[in-house]
Amino acid sequence: RKEVEQDPGPFNVPEGATVAFNCTYSNSASQSFFWYRQDCRKEPKLLMSVYSSGNEDGRFTAQLNRASQYISLLIRDSKLSDSATYLCVVNGNNNDMRFGAGTRLTVKP
Amino acid sequence: NAGVTQTPKFQVLKTGQSMTLQCAQDMNHEYMSWYRQDPGMGLRLIHYSVGAGITDQGEVPNGYNVSRSTTEDFPLRLLSAAPSQTSVYFCASSYSLAGPYNEQFFGPGTRLTVL
Repeated sequence: RKEVEQDPGPFNVPEGATVAFNCTYSNSASQSFFWYRQDCRKEPKLLMSVYSSGNEDGRFTAQLNRASQYISLLIRDSKLSDSATYLCVVNGNNNDMRFGAGTRLTVKP
Repeated sequence: NAGVTQTPKFQVLKTGQSMTLQCAQDMNHEYMSWYRQDPGMGLRLIHYSVGAGITDQGEVPNGYNVSRSTTEDFPLRLLSAAPSQTSVYFCASSYSLAGPYNEQFFGPGTRLTVL
């Protein structure tokens, strides 16, 4: 079983739609959780950290469920510019970061 | 600030050749790491360093060496290139190793093909 698993997608949604991604992790001792965004042929960039109580940044909401060991990302009112691959990241046993394979999102006009 | 820089951007090697991928950061970050990204696999950690003179192995270290003589530089050496090392390589740095503030800043990547 992979340490961090994501639905690869692709998710194809119209502009204005709400879309949600889930990510499961296997290390119950993990303490740090992130969502990164990666555009085609570019480097990953931090989208948002995920806090225990959940957190929101504009149209983006992240949630953490420790009991079920998953994190989620909700994007409201999707824009064309949201098209990208979204990477779930969880810290491993040595505090190194473990990346999911990513979920590809395409927002269409 | 330039952030994290990597050279070269593209490289083609023949099997058995050696080369060094360069990585530098100007943010005074202690933590630096090297990842490879393959289709459907996500980013996998090759080696990392928590400070000058200190390095450790990640998830897929075989066939790669690193050293950290300064805070700024963290080169990755391929000892004898193999086709399985064809990949996109990313260098990253962060302020800390743990906690919610360890955002990793990535370089633009090196696309390596081994024939």
